[in-house]
Amino acid sequence: SAVISQKPSRDICQRGTSLTIQCQVDSQVTMMFWYRQQPGQSLTLIATANQGSEATYESGFVIDKFPISRPNLTFSTLTVSNMSPEDSSIYLCSVAHSSNQPQHFGDGTRLSIL
Amino acid sequence: GNSVTQMEGPVTLSEEAFLTINCTYTATGYPSLFWYVQYPGEGLQLLLKATKADDKGSNKGFEATYRKETTSFHLEKGSVQVSDSAVYFCALSARAGGTSYGKLTFGQGTILTVHP
Repeated sequence: SAVISQKPSRDICQRGTSLTIQCQVDSQVTMMFWYRQQPGQSLTLIATANQGSEATYESGFVIDKFPISRPNLTFSTLTVSNMSPEDSSIYLCSVAHSSNQPQHFGDGTRLSIL
Repeated sequence: GNSVTQMEGPVTLSEEAFLTINCTYTATGYPSLFWYVQYPGEGLQLLLKATKADDKGSNKGFEATYRKETTSFHLEKGSVQVSDSAVYFCALSARAGGTSYGKLTFGQGTILTVHP
């Protein structure tokens, strides 16, 4: 399976600031996704990152709050904008080599907002 | 819409005990089913999968069988080890646009603690 690197692995941020999380894969993948895992909770899909076009957001998530880039088939970024304590979560990137392959996850970014 | 329901945890077992974590789902059509495991401080790892009715997924001594008639995908292991302590997530992927794997819908997760 693909090797997925997420940076940073953790961060502590001030209220009102923004943080960009990077997801790098060691091989080209068709599908990349971003999930949020709030403390003690399950995973919720934020959006599907589409190469060369805008991301597809799930209900409850908007581009202004969570802008996503995907400039090529091995890299994507998620920005958490204008952060508040409610954004304290683990953010995970997942990838699939094709639409017929299961998703594999990075180790996540543990984000705390003070 | 699609949903996954897991048995409530936490589950606490002694080493070598038998493990069952129940998972039932609601989905239109014929989803693919997965178990993921999250060890402390790590991301999710795919544990096993099944893509059609009566398929059995297995890995590292864990097994789960896709039961369409009961819409279930229960995770079992005959003899757990301390190293199996983790959070286990059941998930489904609904078919989208004719492809087999689409977006994942997760259950709430079950915390497993195994004592020596």
